[in-house]
Amino acid sequence: AQTVTQSQPEMSVQEAETVTLSCTYDTSESDYYLFWYKQPPSRQMILVIRQEAYKQQNATENRFSVNFQKAAKSFSLKISDSQLGDAAMYFCAYRSAFLFSGGTSYGKLTFGQGTILTVHP
Amino acid sequence: DAGITQSPRYKITETGRQVTLMCHQTWSHSYMFWYRQDLGHGLRLIYYSAAADITDKGEVPDGYVVSRSKTENFPLTLESATRSQTSVYFCASSLGQGANQPQHFGDGTRLSIL
Repeated sequence: AQTVTQSQPEMSVQEAETVTLSCTYDTSESDYYLFWYKQPPSRQMILVIRQEAYKQQNATENRFSVNFQKAAKSFSLKISDSQLGDAAMYFCAYRSAFLFSGGTSYGKLTFGQGTILTVHP
Repeated sequence: DAGITQSPRYKITETGRQVTLMCHQTWSHSYMFWYRQDLGHGLRLIYYSAAADITDKGEVPDGYVVSRSKTENFPLTLESATRSQTSVYFCASSLGQGANQPQHFGDGTRLSIL
């Protein structure tokens, strides 16, 4: 079974600075997808960025970028020029690329425990 | 574009009661999922469905029942609620399995069982 670990329960950053959130995962699969979701106080789950394991190039979405290290099974999220609206809980998530994965569910997301990000003005 | 909606947004009930959480999506997505969110655990899968009339258990299915008679609806029922089922529940859907077909989440239902 896959596991996802976020070792930082809380992080803080000054507005306009850069912060990196850590995520590691464990899997024996060769093809999979990784995601970062943002959950603001409104409780919505908002997709921030996605990475396909077979792509070596790190994904970027505006101020958000990832550092994907497949061999190390690491998938960190970098937020540049942090804004007050970035304050939220951030979840790292794993999804198998295979329809059948050890008998487990189709397209199941396995989440980390989450990191609470505080942005100071 | 209504997307995916959950109801109710908040629910308080007592142990032993039956409660049903509703999930409706307007995209005709094949896949639908129920997760629960608890502090220290992130989100964990309760049940999922690959299509109408096809459902299967996730990580934490005990005490829950689902059905999917129509593609757009995926209700979750707690047949006899227990305090350990106090949680925030999220419904999600996706069109397919690719990275460009991510799961879209509802706004969640906060369920408190007294």
